[in-house]
Parts: sequence; structure tokens; C-alpha cells
Amino acid sequence: NAGVTQTPKFQVLKTGQSMTLQCAQDMNHEYMSWYRQDPGMGLRLIHYSVGAGITDQGEVPNGYNVSRSTTEDFPLRLLSAAPSQTSVYFCASSPRFREAEAFFGQGTRLTVV
Amino acid sequence: AQSVTQLGSHVSVSEGALVLLRCNYSSSVPPYLFWYVQYPNQGLQLLLKYTSAATLVKGINGFEAEFKKSETSFHLTKPSAHMSDAAEYFCAVSEGKLIFGTGTRLQVFP
Repeated sequence: NAGVTQTPKFQVLKTGQSMTLQCAQDMNHEYMSWYRQDPGMGLRLIHYSVGAGITDQGEVPNGYNVSRSTTEDFPLRLLSAAPSQTSVYFCASSPRFREAEAFFGQGTRLTVV
Repeated sequence: AQSVTQLGSHVSVSEGALVLLRCNYSSSVPPYLFWYVQYPNQGLQLLLKYTSAATLVKGINGFEAEFKKSETSFHLTKPSAHMSDAAEYFCAVSEGKLIFGTGTRLQVFP
């Protein structure tokens, strides 16, 4: 059971570089979301999707883009990396119900220098 | 918008002592509430969830939480702490997407 798979696990970028964090789930979940985790701030929602072709902004969307062309994949793009984007990023998926449990990937630790 | 507040960013207990992690919520509709645990360098996993079926919810690893509407609280407890409980704990409320609190790091001393 793969669940939610994130790649890469670690990444170092230079300021201004772009990159894509990959997220894939094999549970046929409609909901997918991206969070960033910073010390003392918990998990903050970046973007989320309620199904293929539908995305929306979360709490901290600036500097990030997403797309959802398939149910399985939900990549997160950093357009021009900044040191403030140094963080641990988590992807999550769940069925489309308020009471549904979310399943999380193992995270991507990103450092922008 | 719904939100949760976790009181205490760090909690320390001795092994065998009671664990109490506090969470208060704000919601204009009946909430769906969750507790997640994060062990070092890992993702989050579900401990338990409240979906209005019962006010006392039992989860994994001996944890439980009680939903108190009058106090807008959903505190997490465990009667006897174990060293393996050391982790970060997050309370969350669901609007479809999950909104998390800032987390509480639990330390357990021998």
C-alpha cells in the first residue's frame, strides 16, 4: 500500500530557482492538499484541490502554483524560490467528506539558500 | 471560518503520568475534529476523530478525547504516558480541508 508518495525527500535550491514537488496518491481520493510546516506555526494550507481540474488557494498561496490534471497527482511548483520558502512540505489526500481522515506523505524538506 | 487553538506549545510529563493536551475550537457549524500525531522526521497519522457519534472518542495507543460543546474543547488525554508517546500532536478541524492548530510537543521523562 503506497498511500501518498512525495518526491523528493530533501532538496536544496538557490534563491530564484524553480522546482516542482511531486505528490501522488493511489487511493482514488478526491481531496488533495499541500501544507507547509514551520516551527511554532503548525501546518498551514498552501493550495488544495477537490478533484481533477479544480484547485483553490489556502492560507499561504503566494509563490506557489498547483494543477490537478489527474485524480492521482497534485504537484506543487515553486516559481522563484526565496529563503522564506525554506520549510517542510506535506501533501495529503482524503475522500471528499468533512469527517474523512486525511492521509499524509512523508514530507519534503526544502532549503533555499 | 473555523479554527483551533492549542494551549501550550510544549508539555513535559514523567513516564506513567497523565497526559493532557488542550485544544479549543471555533466553529459556526457542528465541527468535525481530529487529533494527529507526528513522530520525528515522519508525516502525520490520525490518532482519533470526532464526528458527532459520541462525545468521548477513543483512539490508538490508549489516547482518548472528549468533545465538550459548552467549553468548545476537544482535549486529548492518556492515563499513563509511555516513552514512545514523545512526539508532536496536532488538533485540527475540518471544513473539507483540514485547518490545524500550532501543535504541542510532548516530552516524556523516565
